[in-house]
Amino acid sequence: DAGITQSPRHKVTETGTPVTLRCHQTENHRYMYWYRQDPGHGLRLIHYSYGVKDTDKGEVSDGYSVSRSKTEDFLLTLESATSSQTSVYFCAISELTVSGNTIYFGEGSWLTVV
Amino acid sequence: SQQGEEDPQALSIQEGENATMNCSYKTSINNLQWYRQNSGRGLVHLILIRSNEREKHSGRLRVTLDTSKKSSSLLITASRAADTASYFCATGRISSGSARQLTFGSGTQLTVLP
Repeated sequence: DAGITQSPRHKVTETGTPVTLRCHQTENHRYMYWYRQDPGHGLRLIHYSYGVKDTDKGEVSDGYSVSRSKTEDFLLTLESATSSQTSVYFCAISELTVSGNTIYFGEGSWLTVV
Repeated sequence: SQQGEEDPQALSIQEGENATMNCSYKTSINNLQWYRQNSGRGLVHLILIRSNEREKHSGRLRVTLDTSKKSSSLLITASRAADTASYFCATGRISSGSARQLTFGSGTQLTVLP
């Protein structure tokens, strides 16, 4: 358990509405990530953060924005949700050891855009 | 784009048998990791192997890495019904600057029949 909490865990929203997913961590990790998981695509990186107010785009960032105003919170916003954004969203943190970078995941947020 | 590709996509075996899953990747890496995902849950880190290692063990798990063939395998010995899950490989880049990212494959669904 890496102390990651995602909210909400399940949400149904209408096309065109804004949606914000929250990721909260309790262990002061510098790196945080948002991934989406879709059948046949595995996990794809949306955005990541390497510190407060320091964020960068991942592989599938179009239609998403993020913010990190505090170390413990990383927010993912869909400005205007589309049906293609129906997915499972995972927040993750990174722990760097002598062996390499290991990522620990939250339990996921199921988002359905109707 | 996905770096790691698992093979097979699905595997069904009897309890007590060994399960072998393979992962191929395209570019140079500094480590390769295997994760497990139970249905409806987040991914859980299983094992990390560095690029200068050829084999690593953890309990009933054995991971091999062949950097010349850009491939890895995960062997689960004496499988149990509780091993039923999806298994993902993930590759860490040689140089990712501030990214510290992992790139995931699309996974192998393992079913262990009692």
